[in-house]
Amino acid sequence: AQSVTQPDIHITVSEGASLELRCNYSYGATPYLFWYVQSPGQGLQLLLKYFSGDTLVQGIKGFEAEFKRSQSSFNLRKPSVHWSDAAEYFCAVVGRNTDKLIFGTGTRLQVFP
Amino acid sequence: EPEVTQTPSHQVTQMGQEVILRCVPISNHLYFYWYRQILGQKVEFLVSFYNNEISEKSEIFDDQFSVERPDGSNFTLKIRSTKLEDSAMYFCASNDWGETQYFGPGTRLLVL
Repeated sequence: AQSVTQPDIHITVSEGASLELRCNYSYGATPYLFWYVQSPGQGLQLLLKYFSGDTLVQGIKGFEAEFKRSQSSFNLRKPSVHWSDAAEYFCAVVGRNTDKLIFGTGTRLQVFP
Repeated sequence: EPEVTQTPSHQVTQMGQEVILRCVPISNHLYFYWYRQILGQKVEFLVSFYNNEISEKSEIFDDQFSVERPDGSNFTLKIRSTKLEDSAMYFCASNDWGETQYFGPGTRLLVL
């Protein structure tokens, strides 16, 4: 069965520091991969997605993610974090024979000034 | 930019009551979804809907749940007899022919 693992429940960084949020997936073929962000009391906003092609994808708000097939990973990165990036980040996968999103448990990001 | 909207933003109900959660998907989208997120837990798929019928549903989506697209714009989730464990944030999402689902802001349901 498809699954998504986000090993870090909570991450704290200083403003201006770099960020990497980890995501590993379990799926037999190359899935469609997504990162969503949820600010407090808000819905889920799409940050970026990977379907095929270039394994480094750029998203909104200065985020990028790299698909690594050998590691079954799709880690999210940002070179310099802003205080407004504090939120919960969800990695998700869609298989090729279904359209339901399977979400990870999320990583809560806290940013200190 | 077009977006998915949901009403109400919050709903409080008594156990055993029926609730209807409403969603207005993005206007040219054809695929519609409901997900839920119990407090502190991951977002879970409930159901997908296309061409006026359910295309996939999870084991959570039992006989107490139903979905409907009553007109050209609304997409609703009905819970017939709410239970305490139905308390959650419910998200609607929609999708055009692609693979990207766009989410609404959610309805927080509290069952007392």
